[in-house]
Amino acid sequence: EVQLVESGGGLVKPGGSLRLSCAASGFTLNTYSMNWVRQAPGKGLEWVSSISSSSSYIYSADSLKGRFTISRDNTKNSLFLQMNSLRVEDTAVYYCAREGIAVAANLHCFDYWGQGTLVTVSS
Amino acid sequence: SYELTQSTSVSVSPGQTASITCSGDKLGKKYASWYQQKPGQSPVLVIYQDTKRPSGIPERFSGSNSGNTATLTISGTQAMDEADYYCQAWDGTTRYVFGSGTKVTVL
Repeated sequence: EVQLVESGGGLVKPGGSLRLSCAASGFTLNTYSMNWVRQAPGKGLEWVSSISSSSSYIYSADSLKGRFTISRDNTKNSLFLQMNSLRVEDTAVYYCAREGIAVAANLHCFDYWGQGTLVTVSS
Repeated sequence: SYELTQSTSVSVSPGQTASITCSGDKLGKKYASWYQQKPGQSPVLVIYQDTKRPSGIPERFSGSNSGNTATLTISGTQAMDEADYYCQAWDGTTRYVFGSGTKVTVL
C-alpha cells in the first residue's frame, strides 16, 4: 500500500524557517518524481514545487521567489521542503504528492497524496 | 503564467448528471486531471490524461478535453459525490497549475 506521511509542520513566526518531511512507503521512491502542494485555510490547491526521481530537475512556483527548496533522499525514502523567510500568507496545509507514471512516462498528475501537515505563520 | 478557470459551484439532484468545466488557453492541447476533495480530507485523483479513471474510481466519473475547456462529468450523482473538485494541468514547460475549484452540492 502506497503511503505518504508528512511531518514537521507547526507554528512559526514571520521571517522564520521550517523543514517539512514526507516519509514514503509501499513503492520504490527513486522511480517517481515528487511534489509539494499547499492549501491555505478555506482556499484552493496551489502547486509549490517538484523534484524529479534523481533530483536532476527541480521546479518551483514563481510566487515563492526562491524562499522554498525541495530535496529528497531516496536512500531514506524521504522528501523534504525547506521553507525560509516565512510569511503569514504561507499559512497552509502542505501535502506531499506523488506524480503518476505509466511505462516510465510521466502522467503529469498526482496519483497519491499524504494527509498533509499544517504550517501556521503568525506572530 | 498559465491559468485555469472553474465555476465556483454546481448544484445537482441525486441521480442526475453534474458537469464541471475548467477553462484555459489551448487546454485541449494539454492533459487535464481532476481531483475530488471532501472536507477535512486529502485530494483524490478521479480523472487523468483527460479521460482515464484510476483504479477504484466509479464509472460514473468521466472526462473530456477539447479546445479551451476540460469537463468532468458525474453521471447518476450520489450524495457521496458532494465535494470540491479541482482541475489541474501541466503548463508544458516547468509548472503545474490547479483551477480554483468547484463546489458540487447534491440537493
